[in-house]
Formats: sequence, structure tokens, C-alpha cells
Amino acid sequence: ETGVTQSPTHLIKTRGQQVTLRCSSQSGHNTVSWYQQALGQGPQFIFQYYREEENGRGNFPPRFSGLQFPNYSSELNVNALELDDSALYLCASSLKQGLQETQYFGPGTRLLVL
Amino acid sequence: AQSVTQLGSHVSVSEGALVLLRCNYSSSVPPYLFWYVQYPNQGLQLLLKYTTGATLVKGINGFEAEFKKSETSFHLTKPSAHMSDAAEYFCAVSAHFGNEKLTFGTGTRLTIIP
Repeated sequence: ETGVTQSPTHLIKTRGQQVTLRCSSQSGHNTVSWYQQALGQGPQFIFQYYREEENGRGNFPPRFSGLQFPNYSSELNVNALELDDSALYLCASSLKQGLQETQYFGPGTRLLVL
Repeated sequence: AQSVTQLGSHVSVSEGALVLLRCNYSSSVPPYLFWYVQYPNQGLQLLLKYTTGATLVKGINGFEAEFKKSETSFHLTKPSAHMSDAAEYFCAVSAHFGNEKLTFGTGTRLTIIP
């Protein structure tokens, strides 16, 4: 158990819709990162939030956005869903204190876009 | 820029045999290196990590990995495979500074033959 939870576990949406995925970090962790894992692939970095500000972004379009809240929860929002957005979405929390800190992953939300 | 190459998308070993999963990395800065394991329909669990210091790193479940800078490698080994080791294994790299963005390889599926 990593202490990181995600909801929902599974989700089905249709193309063009919007979706919000939620993550609850370990208590005290000030950093959350989101990854997209397509079937048969390794996770790809979407973006990271540190103390409620975006702190780096991968090669994903602006329709992928996020929020981080003071209570160690965060959201990933995806607008105008496309079929290729079907994937497992993972959040990972860590405590940024200078040097590299270990990221602890949640179980993921599996999104299917029809 | 950083990248990871995992040689062999599928590896099969007999129960009790040596497990060797290969990982080579490319990084323009000193790397941090990680191995994660993913069981079916679950998130990622950290097996071990290399940051600085001793190049032979021991992890959970009897796994270890050796950082070889001259070979840009971070291969994962376990002396004796167990049925419970069957899973997907991901090697990942991140930079020493900046955000802790993890760049993952495409994964190696380990099958254990009884």
C-alpha cells in the first residue's frame, strides 16, 4: 500500500466529452505527478504540480489540465476526449525536499473512450 | 533529454532460475534510476532505486540492480525466480534536479515457468 488513492477505478466516456479524475496523495506530500499509460506501453509523464502550481509538463495538449489542492488531493481534467485518450491514468505523490524523492503511485483510473 | 531502452518485451524463466531484465538509459545529466513492478490491473510499486553512492542497489523481494555508468546500464537481477515474480517490470530514469519527471521504458513482461 502506497497511501495514494485514485477515483474512480474505471470510467467509460464518449468522444468529445470531458472527464475529471481524482487522486489523494500521501499526507504531507507536496508534489503530485500524473502519467498516462496506454495499453502495452510504459507510463508517459503528463504534468507535475508542486504546492498547487504546475511544475513541468510533458508532451500533452492543453486540453489536459490539472489542479492540486491544499488537502493533498488533486485532479486531472481532460476536455474534448479522443479515442486515443483511452488509457490507465496514474498519479504519483512525493515530498519535494531538495534532492530527488521517491514517487509513490496510486492504483490508477482506467479510462475507456468510445 | 532522457530515454530508457528495455531489451526484451517478454522474458520467460523457470522457477528457481536467475532473472535478468535489461535496461539501458540515455541521459545528458547524472541520472537517478528506478525499477518499478506492475501486477495485473494495479499501479506501480517501487522495487529499488539508484541515486548516488553504492552502485549495487538492493530492493524488495530479493531483487537487485547495478548501475554501470560506462555501459549506461541498470540491469535488474534476482538469483532465484518465484512464481509470484510474474509481472510487468518498468525501468525509469529521472534527472538529479528539476522536477522529478520519470521517463519510463516500454516494460518487460516476466513469465515464470513452473
